[in-house]
Amino acid sequence: IAGITQAPTSQILAAGRRMTLRCTQDMRHNAMYWYRQDLGLGLRLIHYSNTAGTTGKGEVPDGYSVSRANTDDFPLTLASAVPSQTSVYFCASSVGQGSGANVLTFGAGSRLTVL
Amino acid sequence: GQNIDQPTEMTATEGAIVQINCTYQTSGFNGLFWYQQHAGEAPTFLSYNVLDGLEEKGRFSSFLSRSKGYSYLLLKELQMKDSASYLCAVKDSNYQLIWGAGTKLIIKP
Repeated sequence: IAGITQAPTSQILAAGRRMTLRCTQDMRHNAMYWYRQDLGLGLRLIHYSNTAGTTGKGEVPDGYSVSRANTDDFPLTLASAVPSQTSVYFCASSVGQGSGANVLTFGAGSRLTVL
Repeated sequence: GQNIDQPTEMTATEGAIVQINCTYQTSGFNGLFWYQQHAGEAPTFLSYNVLDGLEEKGRFSSFLSRSKGYSYLLLKELQMKDSASYLCAVKDSNYQLIWGAGTKLIIKP
């Protein structure tokens, strides 16, 4: 693999079910992010991790949790999905976080529909 | 609150020039980014401005005026493949990216 791999690509889920979106990167980037993208809105940050072992809350963290056990993996879990979590989810990474460009590399996205 | 404004949609003709504007109001400024996103795909990095002025990269240029809270992306010699959404994002004082909703650019032959 090269870059960021997300799985699944697409999923339809019943409300109340638990779901984990997977994200793996092979660039040895320190920082990783989860965004959701909804029509008419900008990308909104859900959670982030500046380095393995640490995580932080973004703009819209409620209903989501993350973990960063190692550098490469950053899964996003919906403990009990609700229809408002229907969205396209993007995982991204950058070399670091803070000043400077720290360009984001994005995964291909996971389209989630909660019924 | 923090806000990034860009036009929702623009239409241009193949071979022409188009300017996509972005205005921002954020708590602090640590750089402005432009990303391109084709329909159904991931955003990809186009440009980064942290100082005032014009940055040129091939057919694409990006301009920044920090005093005016304003940037634009200039696309020259438009090609059909330039049909995409263009996302403006500003890094605030906490080094978090604030994203605009994106400008959908439609190129007509």
